[in-house]
Parts: sequence; structure tokens; C-alpha cells
Amino acid sequence: GDSVTQMEGPVTLSEEAFLTINCTYTATGYPSLFWYVQYPGEGLQLLLKATKADDKGSNKGFEATYRKETTSFHLEKGSVQVSDSAVYFCALSDGGGAQKLVFGQGTRLTINP
Amino acid sequence: DTAVSQTPKYLVTQMGNDKSIKCEQNLGHDTMYWYKQDSKKFLKIMFSYNNKELIINETVPNRFSPKSPDKAHLNLHINSLELGDSAVYFCASSLGLAGLGETQYFGPGTRLLVL
Repeated sequence: GDSVTQMEGPVTLSEEAFLTINCTYTATGYPSLFWYVQYPGEGLQLLLKATKADDKGSNKGFEATYRKETTSFHLEKGSVQVSDSAVYFCALSDGGGAQKLVFGQGTRLTINP
Repeated sequence: DTAVSQTPKYLVTQMGNDKSIKCEQNLGHDTMYWYKQDSKKFLKIMFSYNNKELIINETVPNRFSPKSPDKAHLNLHINSLELGDSAVYFCASSLGLAGLGETQYFGPGTRLLVL
């Protein structure tokens, strides 16, 4: 079945550091790919998404490019802030009929001042 | 206005009890979901409804019964609660079906602790 694998956390960085969180997927169809973020004590909210190969999703300085050849959707940000501390989830939804989001295991990110 | 709301926010109860969690969305969406997040933050779909019809039932024990009285509400009733049911339960909604790449909007979660 479909699956998503994220880099193991937790990840701790200093403010203004460069961030990469790796995400790879396995899917039988042509999935849409998402990054959701969960701030402490809150529900998930969409950070960005891409619905077809080579699309780049971007929001709040974060970017991810849908790479079909490497089945990846890595999240990047050039200069992180303390307020970016959260848990980040990579996810896919398969248009082939499963009609559900499949999540990676989440990566906890802590940014120190 | 809260887009997706859940009540209660916290629920502490004894093993064997029956409890319900309510979810409402005011986004006009057709599809609603229940997810379970375990202590390691792993998220898994439990149920999905589209226009009040069950779309997904992801091998969840029969003790869990969702009910959708209308498109804006999806409630979750749990019978005979067990220790392993302790988790955070998230409701979510989307305009269309998940397979269409729709963004899902999540509620704040209900933290269930079974003693």
C-alpha cells in the first residue's frame, strides 16, 4: 500500500540555520503531496502542497518540490525562526481511489535562539 | 469563527465507559474525517464520510461508531473504552474527496485518557 517515510527526529537547529526535512513516498497511482505542521497543543494545518510532478509548493518561506523520479518531497527553508518549532508531517493522497491521507511519522523541529 | 471545532477538548474516563466526541465544521465541506494520533505523534485515518455516507472504515474496532447527522457534523462514539484508546483524536474536513488532492482542515483535537 501507499506509504510515506520522513527523516527521523527530533531535529534541533539554531535560528537562521538552513532546514531540510527529507520525505520519500511509495504510491501506486499519481499522488498529491502535502506538508502539514502541528504547533504545540494544536491541530494540523496545511503548510504547502503539490499535486503533480515538478510542482513546487511554497508558503511562509518553506518550499518543497514534487520529484517523481526520486519519489521525494523534501521540505526546505533557508533561515528558520524560533516560531517554526513544531512537528512537521509529510503526507500523500492517492487519486487512485483510496481517498485518504497517508502520513509520515512526523519530525519534531526545535529552533533555539 | 472556528472552522473545525471539537468537543470536548479533554476527556478523562475509566476503562469500560462509553464516551462521545463531537465535531462540527462551518466551511461548507462535503467530506469529514476522524484521525487517531498516538503518543509518538503517529497519525492514522479512522473514518471518512462524504455527504453523510461512510467512505473509509480503516479496520477500526466495532467499539468505535461514527455518526454523521448532516454534512457539517461527524461525531465519534466509543463503547467499552480500553487503555489503548488513550490518544488524541482529530476531526478534519475537506471540500471534496481526499484522493482529489484536497486540503484537509483539522480541528484542535480531543485528548482522551482512559484510566
